[in-house]
Amino acid sequence: NAGVTQTPKFQVLKTGQSMTLQCAQDMNHEYMSWYRQDPGMGLRLIHYSVGAGITDQGEVPNGYNVSRSTTEDFPLRLLLAAPSQTSVYFCASRKRTGNTEAFFGQGTRLTVV
Amino acid sequence: GENVEQHPSTLSVQEGDSAVIKCTYSDSASNYFPWYKQELGKRPQLIIDIRSNVGEKKDQRIAVTLNKTAKHFSLHITETQPEDSAVYFCAASSPTGNQFYFGTGTSLTVIP
Repeated sequence: NAGVTQTPKFQVLKTGQSMTLQCAQDMNHEYMSWYRQDPGMGLRLIHYSVGAGITDQGEVPNGYNVSRSTTEDFPLRLLLAAPSQTSVYFCASRKRTGNTEAFFGQGTRLTVV
Repeated sequence: GENVEQHPSTLSVQEGDSAVIKCTYSDSASNYFPWYKQELGKRPQLIIDIRSNVGEKKDQRIAVTLNKTAKHFSLHITETQPEDSAVYFCAASSPTGNQFYFGTGTSLTVIP
């Protein structure tokens, strides 16, 4: 199993551009989520999904969109990139039933200039 | 929502000494508390977790304690080694289990 795969690993965007961060998992996990990691602020939840067709907002959802058309994929879209979105983004997945381990992707380092 | 506070933000110990990292949470309904280790440039990985019906859990050199009354939990690493150097994050789950709330992290340095 590849686990959780994120692409790209690095990205530089200009303010106002849009892009999609890809996340795929092959563990048949129902639950998927996106976090951003900023220095001194830990990991903050952006959006999450408890299954295909179901998404919900986390702590910091503004400026981001998500969709979940399949169990495997959970892309994160930035529609109008802003310098405040410069961060490291992590996708994670886990089994939905009970509280279980979250498996993280390798991260995407995004810089908005 | 839940608020998780983590202390200290940085910690340096001599190899072989113990390290303790403490977290507090605000929502008494939280029922799952994982700890993640993140090495430089790598992804976070689970090292130990504890559920609210347990007061202590141990796995070799790592242990976690939970005090539900005081709403705090701690990570204990004994006989530290240089490879323990990393950033450690505590987290608390929402009562539904849909959201994890992370602490701000502790950067642990083990000095050989």
